[in-house]
Amino acid sequence: AQSVAQPEDQVNVAEGNPLTVKCTYSVSGNPYLFWYVQYPNRGLQFLLKYITGDNLVKGSYGFEAEFNKSQTSFHLKKPSALVSDSALYFCAVRDQNNFNKFYFGSGTKLNVKP
Amino acid sequence: ETGVTQSPTHLIKTRGQQVTLRCSSQSGHNTVSWYQQALGQGPQFIFQYYREEENGRGNFPPRFSGLQFPNYSSELNVNALELDDSALYLCASSRPGGGLETQYFGPGTRLLVL
Repeated sequence: AQSVAQPEDQVNVAEGNPLTVKCTYSVSGNPYLFWYVQYPNRGLQFLLKYITGDNLVKGSYGFEAEFNKSQTSFHLKKPSALVSDSALYFCAVRDQNNFNKFYFGSGTKLNVKP
Repeated sequence: ETGVTQSPTHLIKTRGQQVTLRCSSQSGHNTVSWYQQALGQGPQFIFQYYREEENGRGNFPPRFSGLQFPNYSSELNVNALELDDSALYLCASSRPGGGLETQYFGPGTRLLVL
């Protein structure tokens, strides 16, 4: 069975500092991994995905994620955080047999303080 | 913003009632998935529709059912509502692409069951 884990319920960072939101995965076979962001009272917005290829994936709004097969991780990063990045971030892995079935983590609340 | 729309935005029902939620997929997308997001949790896959047929289902009882129409829009129906059905219901659409396509989410319908 596939799953992802987000070990931190909340991450606090000062504006201008780098941020990391952690995600680890458990899949059999090659993982298809995604990051989504959710603002209050809004749906999920796609940030980036890893299918294959380079381990460093660049996405929307200056975010990037590093795929690490040996550590089964897919951490979300940004070199310089903005207050407007404050939101709920979800990591997800795609089901190996049903490509439109995603397994989501429990989410990490990112707080960026001025 | 994605081109996925959902209606209504909010809904209040009482236990035992039935509810229908609607979703219009993004142009060119023929696959629609529904997710339930309880408060403080990640989205949980309910089911997926492709070419007007259910094509994959999560761990939800049969009182959760759906439809997809020829224009690829979709409905989620929930019968005999229970208090635990209170959640944000998200619809996501994607293009046919053999597993490489991203799902794009609508803003959701927030259902409250009293």
